[in-house]
Amino acid sequence: EAGVTQFPSHSVIEKGQTVTLRCDPISGHDNLYWYRRVMGKEIKFLLHFVKESKQDESGMPNNRFLAERTGGTYSTLKVQPAELEDSGVYFCASGDSYNSPLHFGNGTRLTVT
Amino acid sequence: GQSLEQPSEVTAVEGAIVQINCTYQTSGFYGLSWYQQHDGGAPTFLSYNALDGLEETGRFSSFLSRSDSYGYLLLQELQMKDSASYFCAVRDRSTGGFKTIFGAGTRLFVKA
Repeated sequence: EAGVTQFPSHSVIEKGQTVTLRCDPISGHDNLYWYRRVMGKEIKFLLHFVKESKQDESGMPNNRFLAERTGGTYSTLKVQPAELEDSGVYFCASGDSYNSPLHFGNGTRLTVT
Repeated sequence: GQSLEQPSEVTAVEGAIVQINCTYQTSGFYGLSWYQQHDGGAPTFLSYNALDGLEETGRFSSFLSRSDSYGYLLLQELQMKDSASYFCAVRDRSTGGFKTIFGAGTRLFVKA
């Protein structure tokens, strides 16, 4: 089976610009998660989708971040406008049930200059 | 809130045994997982403990003590390819739904 894929793998943007990250979960996985890791720190939870619904978005830092999941398939995470502190690696993960292990993508490394 | 503590770095020699400890604090604990991440790669699932005791999977074992809010990952017969970051992660339900909360990771260096 194909794994979780994320696009792009790297993105360098200027402060104030907009960036959209995409995640394609493993087919059939209803649960989709976004995480972010700033260098050397924890892999921080951002939000959790079950199918197309946001189950938990308690980790979203502010309203500059918008996540969507179209039709319960792929998901996008938009940052608008980007700030310097948004730099980090954004991971997407999926799971087939609430209690199953997480399958991660390779992440998108976002650099805001 | 939730928090996890694990050492930032551990160094060991090839063939040795290493233990990576993890203590956690959460009001909605459901289970403890371990993930491995090589540089530039995706975190990959290693093990999960929901109940007290030891779970063994090949060279890797994981232990949980719910009463002590403590767990560890034990790696035996270390190989150079085991050099990676290891994250403990709590399956948490304190916000109503289930989510996995990660620690900051332990960087393991395996020397020849």
